[in-house]
Amino acid sequence: KAGVTQTPRYLIKTRGQQVTLSCSPISGHRSVSWYQQTPGQGLQFLFEYFSETQRNKGNFPGRFSGRQFSNSRSEMNVSTLELGDSALYLCASSPGGTSSSGLETQYFGPGTRLLVL
Amino acid sequence: QKEVEQNSGPLSVPEGAIASLNCTYSDRGSQSFFWYRQYSGKSPELIMFIYSNGDKEDGRFTAQLNKASQYVSLLIRDSQPSDSATYLCAVRSPGGTSYGKLTFGQGTILTVHP
Repeated sequence: KAGVTQTPRYLIKTRGQQVTLSCSPISGHRSVSWYQQTPGQGLQFLFEYFSETQRNKGNFPGRFSGRQFSNSRSEMNVSTLELGDSALYLCASSPGGTSSSGLETQYFGPGTRLLVL
Repeated sequence: QKEVEQNSGPLSVPEGAIASLNCTYSDRGSQSFFWYRQYSGKSPELIMFIYSNGDKEDGRFTAQLNKASQYVSLLIRDSQPSDSATYLCAVRSPGGTSYGKLTFGQGTILTVHP
């Protein structure tokens, strides 16, 4: 099976701009989670989508948003970019389901490295 | 108190030795525990997951879980220079508020020197 893919791999933007990142999960996986990784804060959860619905959201401002399409591909958008948004943005794919048993293993994509100038 | 804490590093071991990586978590209801390896400039790669108390072995890797002590560890036997990376402990709690969310420790940098 092909792994998780993310595009683009690298982005340079300026403050105030907006950016859209894309993630295609492993075939058959319906859950996509997004994370931000920075040297200071480590890996932090942004949000999770399953069957086109956001099921969970982390503690990030409303400038961070996302969506999921019927083919499970997901996008995240960051509006009004700030310097502190410079980070590695990772998406993770898992089979997903309606159970909350916590037994879902996540597989990460290669990430999109965003630099805000 | 941080939700997931890992032993401070960096950790340096000689080639062939056993590397021991430790992690504690604060949510007693946590059910799923994961170890990821992340090479510099790359994304996290899943090494092992463990759900039940005790040991789980996979090749040179052994994960150990003690829910009573809220402690999970990863042992790497016969460490190789290629094992040099940052190791991330991740925990998932049950319940609807944890859908798709893993909580990560800050990572432990491991260096295996020849």
